[in-house]
Amino acid sequence: DVKVTQSSRYLVKRTGEKVFLECVQDMDHENMFWYRQDPGLGLRLIYFSYDVKMKEKGDIPEGYSVSREKKERFSLILESASTNQTSMYLCASIFQGHSYEQYFGPGTRLTVT
Amino acid sequence: AQKVTQAQTEISVVEKEDVTLDCVYETRDTTYYLFWYKQPPSGELVFLIRRNSFDEQNEISGRYSWNFQKSTSSFNFTITASQVVDSAVYFCALRPLQGGSEKLVFGKGTKLTVNP
Repeated sequence: DVKVTQSSRYLVKRTGEKVFLECVQDMDHENMFWYRQDPGLGLRLIYFSYDVKMKEKGDIPEGYSVSREKKERFSLILESASTNQTSMYLCASIFQGHSYEQYFGPGTRLTVT
Repeated sequence: AQKVTQAQTEISVVEKEDVTLDCVYETRDTTYYLFWYKQPPSGELVFLIRRNSFDEQNEISGRYSWNFQKSTSSFNFTITASQVVDSAVYFCALRPLQGGSEKLVFGKGTKLTVNP
């Protein structure tokens, strides 16, 4: 079974802090994604990566950066957290070239105070 | 442009009722995939079905069925004899086959509440 894990289910940070959200998958997937989910807005793509050290901006990359140093790990970084980044963050992964389903992690609910 | 519209924001039904969740999509691509995901209160998205644009056969899986109509760009999801455990947010998503990025375009979701 594919497993995608996220480092925290719940996180509370202060405005201005640097925040790291970690995602790890155990199926050797090339592609990994970070989404944020907000009520009434659905899932919006922040960044994705199709290989180690490769990244592409999604629809809402402002205020975020990412890091993919190892194939299994994809990190989302909030350089200076703001209250409008309070949200649910979901990580997903998939094999390159397979139009199968994306596998999702359990999500991290981040609150910035 | 790729877009998925789930016009129903919230639906509330009583157990054992049938319920249909609507999904309308827009794409200029001739080949694409459509997906439905379920997000229970625990938060993790669970894959339900994938459909490619060449296969318009309807699909049934237990109490779940899907109606794909290319002519109306719709991919609707019906739950028959709903149960309380069906309460969740349901997302429809579109993935074009060209481009190779594997990106999904999600609808905004429909929150289904099944009351006992």
